[in-house]
Amino acid sequence: QVQLVQSGAEVKKPGASVKVSCKASGYTFTSYGISWVRQAPGQGLEWMGWISAYNGNTNYAQKLQGRVTMTTDTSTSTAYMELRSLRSDDTAVYYCAISTGGSDAFDIWGQGTMVTVSS
Amino acid sequence: SYELTQPLSVSVALGQTARITCGGNNIGSKNVHWYQQKPGQAPVLVIYRDSNRPSGIPERFSGSNSGNTATLTISRAQAGDEADYYCQVWDSSPVVFGGGTKLTVL
Repeated sequence: QVQLVQSGAEVKKPGASVKVSCKASGYTFTSYGISWVRQAPGQGLEWMGWISAYNGNTNYAQKLQGRVTMTTDTSTSTAYMELRSLRSDDTAVYYCAISTGGSDAFDIWGQGTMVTVSS
Repeated sequence: SYELTQPLSVSVALGQTARITCGGNNIGSKNVHWYQQKPGQAPVLVIYRDSNRPSGIPERFSGSNSGNTATLTISRAQAGDEADYYCQVWDSSPVVFGGGTKLTVL
């Protein structure tokens, strides 16, 4: 079945970078773009950006422009999200998600990766 | 930027009908999706394109969208429906989520 499996929890110091992976299985990786969504503790969902797994085109949320980079490795069917210059308010669970049904809704989600930014 | 407004919380008696609203400027012209999220879990899609249920979602879940308000309706509410619910649209941002509504089943 279609599945997204993310890398494990990370603890980082302020100013550092983090790179979270999202390994896809059960479908042709280049068929769907991958979005990244984060959720700070006790808060709502925040869309971070999207990458086309077909050609690598990206679209980032304006507030993260310059600090986030999304990439893919088609040889391993894995997407990556790197966030730089980490701050305490970047502490959140980070999810990858795809839309497979042609409706633009996110019907498959990764399990989430907790990133804690603390000195 | 486009904004979606949801009530912070909604309560419903067991077996009754819960309605969760999502307000936005002319939201009726957009496709609205709804997600259910239980503590410690990833969100799950429960309604897509205003009123369509993915496979595996009970018929008790339904949606509508008109004017400036989209609504998620949960009929015959069960204890297992207690969760946070988020609406979402694609816009120029391009993806926008509502702030989320905590549904409590009494």
